[in-house]
Amino acid sequence: EPEVTQTPSHQVTQMGQEVILRCVPISNHLYFYWYRQILGQKVEFLVSFYNNEISEKSEIFDDQFSVERPDGSNFTLKIRSTKLEDSAMYFCASSVEYSNQPQHFGDGTRLSIL
Amino acid sequence: SQQGEEDPQALSIQEGENATMNCSYKTSINNLQWYRQNSGRGLVHLILIRSNEREKHSGRLRVTLDTSKKSSSLLITASRAADTASYFCATDFRGNTPLVFGKGTRLSVIA
Repeated sequence: EPEVTQTPSHQVTQMGQEVILRCVPISNHLYFYWYRQILGQKVEFLVSFYNNEISEKSEIFDDQFSVERPDGSNFTLKIRSTKLEDSAMYFCASSVEYSNQPQHFGDGTRLSIL
Repeated sequence: SQQGEEDPQALSIQEGENATMNCSYKTSINNLQWYRQNSGRGLVHLILIRSNEREKHSGRLRVTLDTSKKSSSLLITASRAADTASYFCATDFRGNTPLVFGKGTRLSVIA
């Protein structure tokens, strides 16, 4: 069964550094998402992406964050200048349609900011 | 807050027993979805139930939706140790909004 893959599985970065998290969504999916989960807390929506542009973003997704689909397969999340509070699991998800369809999640990237 | 809230926060049962988890939400929804998360892994979609549906089944899983009470329940029958995971409900409010997750129920099934 096709799946969403994320790399790396664990990223350790110094505060203030830039980090890029990578995702390969399922190939025939059109909608892409990033979520994060701070340890022990609920999964929070960051951003959704369709047709090469952001569809919706949350308050968390401030100017430090950006997303890109640089080619036909990858979907990336960039954090420009990381803060300690950015430490979390970051999950990529994709879906065939935006509504009434399940979202398929990757296993996440654990981001640790030192 | 519009998010779903699961109840209980944690549940421990013996293998073979049934497990019931509940989810409540505050505003009208387009659909409600249940996901499972094993420790250190991503979320796995279990069932999607639309606002005009009352019950759905998938294998040992049964989901009900009561829109008048703004609540849903997930029943896992004949539980197995492999069912040990966190279970989340997620609500889709307008049909074109991102999912809003609850805090989850941690289920432990003891062999």
